[in-house]
Amino acid sequence: AQSVTQLDSQVPVFEEAPVELRCNYSSSVSVYLFWYVQYPNQGLQLLLKYLSGSTLVKGINGFEAEFNKSQTSFHLRKPSVHISDTAEYFCAVSRPNSGYALNFGKGTSLLVTP
Amino acid sequence: DTAVSQTPKYLVTQMGNDKSIKCEQNLGHDTMYWYKQDSKKFLKIMFSYNNKELIINETVPNRFSPKSPDKAHLNLHINSLELGDSAVYFCASSQDRRKRSSYNEQFFGPGTRLTVL
Repeated sequence: AQSVTQLDSQVPVFEEAPVELRCNYSSSVSVYLFWYVQYPNQGLQLLLKYLSGSTLVKGINGFEAEFNKSQTSFHLRKPSVHISDTAEYFCAVSRPNSGYALNFGKGTSLLVTP
Repeated sequence: DTAVSQTPKYLVTQMGNDKSIKCEQNLGHDTMYWYKQDSKKFLKIMFSYNNKELIINETVPNRFSPKSPDKAHLNLHINSLELGDSAVYFCASSQDRRKRSSYNEQFFGPGTRLTVL
């Protein structure tokens, strides 16, 4: 079974500072990995995904993530955050043997302050 | 145009009632999902349908029954509502899961906030 651990429940950061949101997964088979963002009172939007190939994945809004198979990690990074990046971020892994449904981590709340 | 839509957006009801949440997608996708987000924002898969066929049914109480009249719709019926059912329910859709040559992104609806009093 696949599971996802987001190590930080809350990450406060100042505007224009860099940020890293951590995600580790456990799986006995190859997986697909995703980061979703949820702005307050809204649905989920895909930031980026890793399916195969290059381990550095670039997404929308200046975010990127690096797949590290040996460390089973898929950390999300942004070199300079904006106030508008304040949101909940979810790491997820898909389940290829069961309809590709997503297993989500518990989320990391990113709070960007001036 | 909205890709995945849900109605209603908010639903407030009393314990013991029966209610439905509707989901429609206009993306031509074959697979649809229901996820539940609890008060701690934890998201969990409930059901998945592919071409109107149930393919995932997590450990969800029998009071929850998905119904897919066609590929574009996946409705969620909930009987005898309980306080613990209060949550935000998200519908999602993706292209045919059997096209394994590439993963097909899931598109999420805006969510339905269910409050059981």
